[in-house]
Amino acid sequence: QVQLQESGPGLVKPSQTLSLTCTVSGGSISSGDYYWSWIRQPPGKGLEWIGYIYYSGSTYYNPSLKSRVTISVDTSKNQFSLKLSSVTAADTAVYYCARESGLPDYWGQGTLVTVSS
Amino acid sequence: QSALTQPASVSGSPGQSITISCTGTSSDVGGYNYVSWYQQHPGKAPKLMIYEVSNRPSGVPDRFSGSKSGNTASLTISGLQAEDEADYYCSSYTSSSTPYVFGTGTKVTVL
Repeated sequence: QVQLQESGPGLVKPSQTLSLTCTVSGGSISSGDYYWSWIRQPPGKGLEWIGYIYYSGSTYYNPSLKSRVTISVDTSKNQFSLKLSSVTAADTAVYYCARESGLPDYWGQGTLVTVSS
Repeated sequence: QSALTQPASVSGSPGQSITISCTGTSSDVGGYNYVSWYQQHPGKAPKLMIYEVSNRPSGVPDRFSGSKSGNTASLTISGLQAEDEADYYCSSYTSSSTPYVFGTGTKVTVL
């Protein structure tokens, strides 16, 4: 069974860049069967799709975040990553990585990222 | 892209049945049979409970069922159990600017 695990700093200063990595086990990103997504959830609020990447490197971002988001993939490490630039307090959230085939099916446990000075 | 509309809360007693609605438009829920439901316990990741409107992944109890009529999808939990107390989110494929959209979320309370 596939498992996903997010990693990265839990605290980021305003105006800096948030960087997270998702490590996939139990399945290969290079299989080409799935897209690999980032989704976030502000404290006490609902879910927001950030974007996804295919093993080939093709990406698709949420238009509301597109100017600040970069998702990349490292198939040799079976990992994909998220960078979100110029963060503000509004970017404080639990960030999840997920596998999807149309809609997300398997999710990582999530990691809380707080934007604060 | 607007979120799908769900009731903020639904409650029921153990053994009862409850239904959670998820209302969208013809551009999402009504236009595709790609509606999923997720269960989220506090501090945990969402867990897929229903996909493609009415299909259950392996391991999900058959107490959970999904359906759709027009622009509204529904999740029914039959024989409500204490462990079903959680937040539930729907999601649908959409023809809008993002590939899919989530619902506003429903807190299920077992009385």
